[in-house]
Amino acid sequence: DAGITQSPRYKITETGRQVTLMCHQTWSHSYMFWYRQDLGHGLRLIYYSAAADITDKGEVPDGYVVSRSKTENFPLTLESATRSQTSVYFCASKVAGRNEQFFGPGTRLTVL
Amino acid sequence: GESVGLHLPTLSVQEGDNSIINCAYSNSASDYFIWYKQESGKGPQFIIDIRSNMDKRQGQRVTVLLNKTVKHLSLQIAATQPGDSAVYFCAESRMNSGYSTLTFGKGTMLLVSP
Repeated sequence: DAGITQSPRYKITETGRQVTLMCHQTWSHSYMFWYRQDLGHGLRLIYYSAAADITDKGEVPDGYVVSRSKTENFPLTLESATRSQTSVYFCASKVAGRNEQFFGPGTRLTVL
Repeated sequence: GESVGLHLPTLSVQEGDNSIINCAYSNSASDYFIWYKQESGKGPQFIIDIRSNMDKRQGQRVTVLLNKTVKHLSLQIAATQPGDSAVYFCAESRMNSGYSTLTFGKGTMLLVSP
């Protein structure tokens, strides 16, 4: 039971480069989420998806793009990375109608 | 704006003591609340949740109390163990464009000494 996985686990990139963080879940959960975690801010929602081809902005969407062509995948793209996007990124999923979100192990992204 | 926050950033306890982690919220329209535990280098892990029409809910060694009058949420951990050392987050459910999303507090670090 793989659950929810994220790749890569660690990434170093340079300002201006495009970066894609991957998220994959094996539970067929309808909802998926992307959060970033920074000291002093806790977890902040970037984007979420209620189902394939349905996505919406969260609290801090600027500079990020998402897509959801398949239920199990929810990639997050930084089109032109900035230093302020250095953070730990968490993907999560949940069943529609349930409260609990299941989190992946996180991706630590450093933008130089 | 409305937000979820915590009173104490760090709580240090001795093994075997009971721990209480507090959280204040301001959105009276939230319909449920969740506590998460996050160990170093890992993703948050669900502990327990409570609906807004409840005052108390118990799990294994954990109890969540909800006081809607003062908009306060607490997580009680009985007989705290070193393995309980982690950051604990409260989160509240909000409706966002017709879909429910969670808003997290900033977290409290629990340190358990043997």
